[in-house]
Amino acid sequence: QLQLQESGPGLVKASETLSLTCTVSGGSISSSSYYWGWIRQPPGKGLEWIATIYYSGSTYYNPSLKSRVTMSMDTSKNQFSLKLTSVTAADTAVYYCARDAAIPYSSTFDYWGQGTLVTVSS
Amino acid sequence: QSALTQPASVSGSPGQSITIFCTGTSSDVGSYNLVSWYQQHPGKAPKLMIYEVSHRPSGVSYRFSGSKSGNTASLTISGLQAQDEADYYCCSHAGSSTSVFGGGTKLTVL
Repeated sequence: QLQLQESGPGLVKASETLSLTCTVSGGSISSSSYYWGWIRQPPGKGLEWIATIYYSGSTYYNPSLKSRVTMSMDTSKNQFSLKLTSVTAADTAVYYCARDAAIPYSSTFDYWGQGTLVTVSS
Repeated sequence: QSALTQPASVSGSPGQSITIFCTGTSSDVGSYNLVSWYQQHPGKAPKLMIYEVSHRPSGVSYRFSGSKSGNTASLTISGLQAQDEADYYCCSHAGSSTSVFGGGTKLTVL
């Protein structure tokens, strides 16, 4: 059974960089059959797609966040990561990692991590 | 890339059917048969309920169905049950391997 687990600091200071890692078990992120992504949800609000990466290293970013976001992967550890720079209170959210189920990219997120709350403090 | 439009809330009585609409544009919903729907209970991760407009993943009840017309997709839940009470989100492919979510709809089972 595929499992995804987010990890990283729960508290980040404003203007600094938010860094999160998603560890995948029960499957390989090196598979050419899937994409891997990050999605966030501010408290009491809706979901927002942040970014997606393919095993080849190709990355795709939400245009509204593109200037601040970097996504990468470490196939040796079966992990992928998110970096969001210059954070503000508006970046406070639960961050989820997820798998996109199909090739080509289909916006079908079939497996999700449990989510991790990141709070930006001033 | 603007969020897809969903009603903030819908409600229905047990046994009834409800439909949640998700309106996008010709750049997302209207251009791709790649709309998915997610159910989210409080404090939980979203769960995929419908993919590629109308397909149900294994294990999802037949009571959930999806469709699309033009720039608007819809999720119908028939035979409402208490455990269907949750937030529902639509998501669409928006070109160039990007995605956009709807604002979410809170379903209340009366």
